[in-house]
Amino acid sequence: DIQLTQSPSFLSASVGDRVTITCRASQGITSYLAWYQQKPGKAPKLLIYAASTLQSGVPSRFSGSGSGTEFTLTISSLQPDDFATYYCQQLYTYPYTFGQGTKLEIK
Amino acid sequence: QVHLVESGGGVVQPGRSLRLSCAASGFTFSSHVMHWVRQAPGKGLEWLAVISSDGSNQYYADSLKGRFAISRDNSKNTVFLQMNSLTVEDTAVYYCARLPYGSGYDYWGQGTLVTVSS
Repeated sequence: DIQLTQSPSFLSASVGDRVTITCRASQGITSYLAWYQQKPGKAPKLLIYAASTLQSGVPSRFSGSGSGTEFTLTISSLQPDDFATYYCQQLYTYPYTFGQGTKLEIK
Repeated sequence: QVHLVESGGGVVQPGRSLRLSCAASGFTFSSHVMHWVRQAPGKGLEWLAVISSDGSNQYYADSLKGRFAISRDNSKNTVFLQMNSLTVEDTAVYYCARLPYGSGYDYWGQGTLVTVSS
């Protein structure tokens, strides 16, 4: 199975900060990577797919990059609504594994 | 408008079975691959299973050890997850999700809570 490792697992930041979350795959997955945002008690929300394609309706302050084994999710200027947990997922081969999550908290 | 609505969760004793349903509306269900994902309390997301658009192919997480089965009824726009030999480790919120080709899960259900407890 392909393992995805996110870093950091916890991130404390302030409104207006630029933050980056990294997702590393245990083997190459080309660009078959998605990023999700999840808030407590809610289903995840798709932010980015194919590593860098912004899902319709998602604010442009979110961006994704990378290919192969290393990927990043960047939020250019944190807004209050962005404090949540973020997950990456590989869709290269079954089983479609998720990273362990990054919890973004208000500093 | 796309909607996915899970049902069938509840409290069940260890060793028993449960069948979850996910009713879809607002899109051509028979054209979409469907997945199940779960989340144990306070934990991350775990991918469980996938079924092809016509129901002919299924794949499962190794951790399920053959206890779960995914199926679908395209005439009723519903995907199912049959869960057998449940253990306390299966306690989680179970989500169904739609996966368009080349994308990520663009629509999720609200989730249904399964609690395995004696």
